[in-house]
Amino acid sequence: SQQGEEDPQALSIQEGENATMNCSYKTSINNLQWYRQNSGRGLVHLILIRSNEREKHSGRLRVTLDTSKKSSSLLITASRAADTASYFCATDATGSQGNLIFGKGTKLSVKP
Amino acid sequence: ETGVTQTPRHLVMGMTNKKSLKCEQHLGHNAMYWYKQSAKKPLELMFVYNFKEQTENNSVPSRFSPECPNSSHLFLHLHTLQPEDSALYLCASSQDPAPGRGYQPQHFGDGTRLSIL
Repeated sequence: SQQGEEDPQALSIQEGENATMNCSYKTSINNLQWYRQNSGRGLVHLILIRSNEREKHSGRLRVTLDTSKKSSSLLITASRAADTASYFCATDATGSQGNLIFGKGTKLSVKP
Repeated sequence: ETGVTQTPRHLVMGMTNKKSLKCEQHLGHNAMYWYKQSAKKPLELMFVYNFKEQTENNSVPSRFSPECPNSSHLFLHLHTLQPEDSALYLCASSQDPAPGRGYQPQHFGDGTRLSIL
């Protein structure tokens, strides 16, 4: 069954604007990860946030995690055309074998 | 640049053909994965190998047969596929996943785009 679900499904913004994507999940987790996928390519790991963490930064990326609401958000600040890609959250459910369950993704388009 | 290499990048085959997808990782990881990515559907985990042993088969039809001869190589043998099997097949690797540990980012190859005629 689907664990993570991203919102919105698609997002179109202008270069320089911030992009926020959300992820909701259903069960308790060990960690939550965000991945990016450029068209025709594999997924690239962006950032991992553990269940006992609330916020994490990496460059222009900011991830928050609210375990009480079972949700996470990915913020990309000062977006660039090169940020155009699909973004996926993936959760590692507590009690699982450490395997990830991915959502359907948010397709981000950054217009120059 | 990726430490996970998949070949071929594109494959077109008839339903009666037999073909194999290959994945190789150069990252020293000991877990490898096959995923299926179809349009407008979440990434589907197919198989997991940990230290060359299959630890998960996610109810995948028998026309897909995985093989993991060592921790660096993973194959997916295809036989008598159906049109709905057309998809992007992604291979990934990570440090060994273990219950309760969780935090193992996966490294993906660029996939094989499979089209079934």
